[in-house]
Amino acid sequence: AQSVTQPDIHITVSEGASLELRCNYSYGATPYLFWYVQSPGQGLQLLLKYFSGDTLVQGIKGFEAEFKRSQSSFNLRKPSVHWSDAAEYFCAVVLINDYKLSFGAGTTVTVRA
Amino acid sequence: EPEVTQTPSHQVTQMGQEVILRCVPISNHLYFYWYRQILGQKVEFLVSFYNNEISEKSEIFDDQFSVERPDGSNFTLKIRSTKLEDSAMYFCASSAAGDGTQYFGPGTRLTVT
Repeated sequence: AQSVTQPDIHITVSEGASLELRCNYSYGATPYLFWYVQSPGQGLQLLLKYFSGDTLVQGIKGFEAEFKRSQSSFNLRKPSVHWSDAAEYFCAVVLINDYKLSFGAGTTVTVRA
Repeated sequence: EPEVTQTPSHQVTQMGQEVILRCVPISNHLYFYWYRQILGQKVEFLVSFYNNEISEKSEIFDDQFSVERPDGSNFTLKIRSTKLEDSAMYFCASSAAGDGTQYFGPGTRLTVT
């Protein structure tokens, strides 16, 4: 079945430490890939996207993500987290020519001082 | 920076009542979407709209739901007779190219009592 999986429901990280959030997808073809962030009381903000080309993509707020076709993964990383990065992060995919987003369940990130 | 806006931010209604959720997409965007997120669950696609007609809808989007673009700026979601299970956060999104790069509004929290 087609799916987007975020294996980690909740991650706690210290301020200044690195962060990696996992995302795996299961589709017949490689979809377009996205990461969104939802801060408390806010809407969904697009962090970055991957369509094709360079498998390491840079986004806003110092985030990057790496696409690995062999692992059907699109993991999000940040070298040094800030307290303001505490939020819920969603991986999402779009199949080419089918433009609705399918979301993972989300990973909640808590940043401790 | 242009953004998607939604009103109201919170709507409380009684079961069986009609509600209209309003969205103002980004002005030069052509593709419009509604998603919902029931508390503790994934963000789910409801409907996409392009060229003044529905382009795709999910199983959730039954006859109780309708969308409309009544003028050049607004995009509305109507629920004709609300049920308890319609309680959720409803997100509007818009896209310029229909390539999956969607920009979301802050959401309307609908509470059905």
